[in-house]
Amino acid sequence: GAVVSQHPSWVICKSGTSVKIECRSLDFQATTMFWYRQFPKQSLMLMATSNEGSKATYEQGVEKDKFLINHASLTLSTLTVTSAHPEDSSFYICSARGRTSGIYEQYFGPGTRLTVT
Amino acid sequence: AQTVTQSQPEMSVQEAETVTLSCTYDTSENNYYLFWYKQPPSRQMILVIRQEAYKQQNATENRFSVNFQKAAKSFSLKISDSQLGDTAMYFCAFMSQGGSEKLVFGKGTKLTVNP
Repeated sequence: GAVVSQHPSWVICKSGTSVKIECRSLDFQATTMFWYRQFPKQSLMLMATSNEGSKATYEQGVEKDKFLINHASLTLSTLTVTSAHPEDSSFYICSARGRTSGIYEQYFGPGTRLTVT
Repeated sequence: AQTVTQSQPEMSVQEAETVTLSCTYDTSENNYYLFWYKQPPSRQMILVIRQEAYKQQNATENRFSVNFQKAAKSFSLKISDSQLGDTAMYFCAFMSQGGSEKLVFGKGTKLTVNP
């Protein structure tokens, strides 16, 4: 149980184009999902908190217009990188908030590697 | 704001031996959760162990155990009988109880288990 998928696992796009990454909770409903960015050999950096049916809450320094987040259902959140540039190349990880053993925790997707050429 | 510090960027251990990874945190809250996550080369984040701050008993999961010192704000991870598959990045994380429930991660410790 508590499986989170991400699609695609790897994407290459040209500079100036947009790319959408999907995050799905496969066997549970997630009212809250989180989007992280991870640079090589570094820790996870929270970009935004996505709540079903409402606007995402972005962390300080994250461009809302560049990283569009939509959480239209209890099992799907999407991250769209608009007008991508090479500096947006990174590993993007989502997580979904779920409850097991009485407490909430985050279940992580396998990540998406984005390369912008 | 909460902070999590992992002071060991890299560590290594021989197979079958024991290793301890350090983590300290800073918070003014009394109720919270602490986690250790493992990120192997596949980069899939895997929960290793969690501790609820109100519990005095240290959490254990098979070969993994923690030493939780609430007053000292310390949360170390002990790995016993290390295996080659334990080679990974290990992240310590803090989560408030209630509120936004965001995870605050440390910078990580790269653990290498040598044969």
